[in-house]
Formats: sequence, C-alpha cells, structure tokens
Amino acid sequence: DAGVIQSPRHEVTEMGQEVTLRCKPISGHNSLFWYRQTMMRGLELLIYFNNNVPIDDSGMPEDRFSAKMPNASFSTLKIQPSEPRDSAVYFCASRRDRPNTEAFFGQGTRLTVV
Amino acid sequence: RKEVEQDPGPFNVPEGATVAFNCTYSNSASQSFFWYRQDCRKEPKLLMSVYSSGNEDGRFTAQLNRASQYISLLIRDSKLSDSATYLCVVNPTYSSASKIIFGSGTRLSIRP
Repeated sequence: DAGVIQSPRHEVTEMGQEVTLRCKPISGHNSLFWYRQTMMRGLELLIYFNNNVPIDDSGMPEDRFSAKMPNASFSTLKIQPSEPRDSAVYFCASRRDRPNTEAFFGQGTRLTVV
Repeated sequence: RKEVEQDPGPFNVPEGATVAFNCTYSNSASQSFFWYRQDCRKEPKLLMSVYSSGNEDGRFTAQLNRASQYISLLIRDSKLSDSATYLCVVNPTYSSASKIIFGSGTRLSIRP
C-alpha cells in the first residue's frame, strides 16, 4: 500500500490567493483527519470525516477554511482567501474504524503564504 | 484545560541514560492511547500503543494510569537515534469512529 498521499508537498502562495490541499487516504480506512502543525500551537485537529461525512469541524479556524470528502479515496482542504498566519504544515491522516487502531499520516503539505 | 497535555521539554540527556515522559488527558472516558514519534520535518509515526496493563517494546515501556489520567513513556539505554519529538495521543471516546487528539509533543535530544 502506498500509504496516505498528500499533494502538493510544498506550496508558496501570495496572500489573498486560494489554496487547495489534497489527500488520498489508505484504501479501506473509514476515518480521515486534517491537522495543522505550527511551532507555537503544535498539532491541531481541524476536521475529521467518517465514511466521507464530516463529523467534527470545530477545529476549523474560520470560514476561510473548508474541507470536503466527495468519496472514500479523496479529500480536499481549501483556504480562501489565504493569509500569512495560515503558514504551517498541514497533515492528512487516515485510520480504520477498529478500537485501538492507529492513524497513519501523509508526508504533509508545507504551506507558506507571503 | 487542554484535552491532552505534555511537558514540551526539551529533554537533553546523555546517551545511555533512561528518560521518562508523562502525558495527562482530561476525558476520563478515553479508551485508546498511543505514543507517536516525529522526526524533524517529517510526519508523526506510531511508536507504540498503550495498553491498560502496560506494555514493553525493547527499550521502550508505556504505562497507563487511569486513576490519575496519565500515560507515560520510558526509554532505557537511550541512543542518539532516539532524538525526536514524542507525541502523546488519545482517542477520547469509546467509539472507534472518533477523533484522535495529539498532545503538543515533548522534544528529546540525546547527546553523545
């Protein structure tokens, strides 16, 4: 299995532009998570899906952030318009719905908004 | 209060030393616990699960204390390659289809 695949690996964009991050979870995994990591705030859960349905989006910082999961093999996180404070590493993770099963992470997207 | 709290460190210890980290969680109903390791500029990866009876994997030992709501990680005979950030992870509900909360991580640096 190729693991969780995220794209792009790096993104540099200007303030005000729209940014779309993509994630392909591991096949057969029911839950998908989007995290943001910064030095100041650590690893924050933004939103998670179960069976393609958003379950908890309370971590989404504001309306500029949105996430979708149109099918079991694809999810997007969109920021529109982007701001410099959105600069961070964004991780996607997936797991199978069994007790005591771990989540597997993608390699992350390093976003820089200038 | 944060759902999962860790001492951020850094812990700077000599090679061969024993080092221990604790992590506290706020939800007494939490069911699943893990330790992850994250290397610089890499994604977090599972180090070990934490079972109620405690578990050991080579030089690593994980313990769960439900009464005091904390988990611990002990590293014996530390190696240079153990230098990383260690993340405490909690599944705060019994449902297997639930969110996973990460602590902010404890940085460990092993010196020669």
